[in-house]
Amino acid sequence: EPEVTQTPSHQVTQMGQEVILRCVPISNHLYFYWYRQILGQKVEFLVSFYNNEISEKSEIFDDQFSVERPDGSNFTLKIRSTKLEDSAMYFCASRTSMNTGELFFGEGSRLTVL
Amino acid sequence: DQQVKQNSPSLSVQEGRISILNCDYTNSMFDYFLWYKKYPAEGPTFLISISSIKDKNEDGRFTVFLNKSAKHLSLHIVPSQPGDSAVYFCAARRAQGGSEKLVFGKGTKLTVNP
Repeated sequence: EPEVTQTPSHQVTQMGQEVILRCVPISNHLYFYWYRQILGQKVEFLVSFYNNEISEKSEIFDDQFSVERPDGSNFTLKIRSTKLEDSAMYFCASRTSMNTGELFFGEGSRLTVL
Repeated sequence: DQQVKQNSPSLSVQEGRISILNCDYTNSMFDYFLWYKKYPAEGPTFLISISSIKDKNEDGRFTVFLNKSAKHLSLHIVPSQPGDSAVYFCAARRAQGGSEKLVFGKGTKLTVNP
């Protein structure tokens, strides 16, 4: 069964460092998302991406964040200068164009900022 | 901004009995409601959804009920099995500008005891 894959599964970084989280969405999906979950809190929307551009972003997604689809398969989230409060589980998700609302999530990348 | 609320952080039931997980929402612009199941260290997995124009959707042991006038939905699992033990997230979709992001509740941890 096709699945969304994410790398790395866990990354530890120093505050102020740049981090890139990578995702390979399901191949025939057209809409891509990043969500995050801080420990003990709800899953929060960060950004959605369609047709090679951001379609919506949350207040969390400030200038330190960026997304890119550098080729036909990868979808990346970059955090330019990490802060302690960026420590969270980051989930990539994708969906088809079918209007059912269902998103397929990857297993997540745990980011720990020290 | 608690547009989707799951007021019970945890629920414990006996194997074979019914599990009822509840969710309330505030935004009448939501057009789809979804339930996701999440095991530790994994991404959310889609379980079942319901369109805002319906009041019930059933898939095997899982049934979701929607009461629009009360802005309330519930997930029924019958019969409950130990493998159902997980965190269940209620999510609602707000179709806006094509991004169709999901807004999640905080989750309810279900424990099914053998």
